Amino acid sequence: EVVLTQSPATLSLSPGERATLSCRASQSISAYLAWYQQKPGQAPRLLIFDASNRATGIPARFSGSGSGTDFTLTISSLEPEDFAVYYCQQRSIWPPRYTFGQGTKLEI
Amino acid sequence: QVQLHESGPGLVKPSETLSLTCTVSGDAINDYYWSWVRQPPGKGLEWIGYIDYRRNTNCNPSLKSRVTMSVDTSKNQFSLKLTSVTAADTAVYYCARDPGLPVNTFDIWGQGTMVTVSS
Repeated sequence: EVVLTQSPATLSLSPGERATLSCRASQSISAYLAWYQQKPGQAPRLLIFDASNRATGIPARFSGSGSGTDFTLTISSLEPEDFAVYYCQQRSIWPPRYTFGQGTKLEI
Repeated sequence: QVQLHESGPGLVKPSETLSLTCTVSGDAINDYYWSWVRQPPGKGLEWIGYIDYRRNTNCNPSLKSRVTMSVDTSKNQFSLKLTSVTAADTAVYYCARDPGLPVNTFDIWGQGTMVTVSS
C-alpha cells in the first residue's frame, strides 16, 4: 500500500510569495498523482491531475511537477484566496484505489 | 453541469448502520467511477470505496469488512452502507466522481454531509 507523506505540515507565507509543497510516496507510483485545495467548510477542489496537468479553470500560478516518488505543487505568487489546506492523492491504475496525503496547511 | 448531492441521516447510534445516498444530476451515472470519501472533524481525507455502473467495487482495506456499496442506474444514484459504526466514524461524508482518462481522479465532489455517531 502506497503511503503519501506531505511536507511541511504547515507553511507560513505572505501574499505575493512563492509556495512549494512536497508530496513523497513510499514507493514509485504512476503519474496518477493529483493535488487538491480545501477551504474550511468546503469540499476539496481538484487543482492538478496526472502530476502536472491543471484542472479546468485553475489559474496558471498553480503548477505541479515530479515523478517516481517525489512530487511538488508550486504556487508562483500567492493570492489571498490561496491560503487553505492542500492534499496530494494517488490513484492505482486498476482496480481504482485512492490514497491521500495528510495535508499541508498554507497560512498567512 | 454535473452535480452530486449526498443525503441521509445526520445522526446514527453506535453499533448501527450508516446509510447514505449520492444523487447525480446533469449526466448519466454510466462510464464513470463513483467514490465515497470522508473527513473526520479537523482531520484529513480518507477514501472509503468506489463503485461503477457495472457494480465493480473496491474498498479501503481498513473499512472493507463494514462497507457495502450499491448503484441504481435508473435513479442515477449510488449508495453507501457502513455497519457497526462507532464515534470514530463521525465525519463529513463526500461522494465524488472519477471520470477516468485522462483525469483519473476526483474532478467533481458533492458538498458533503455531516454524520455524527452518538447515542
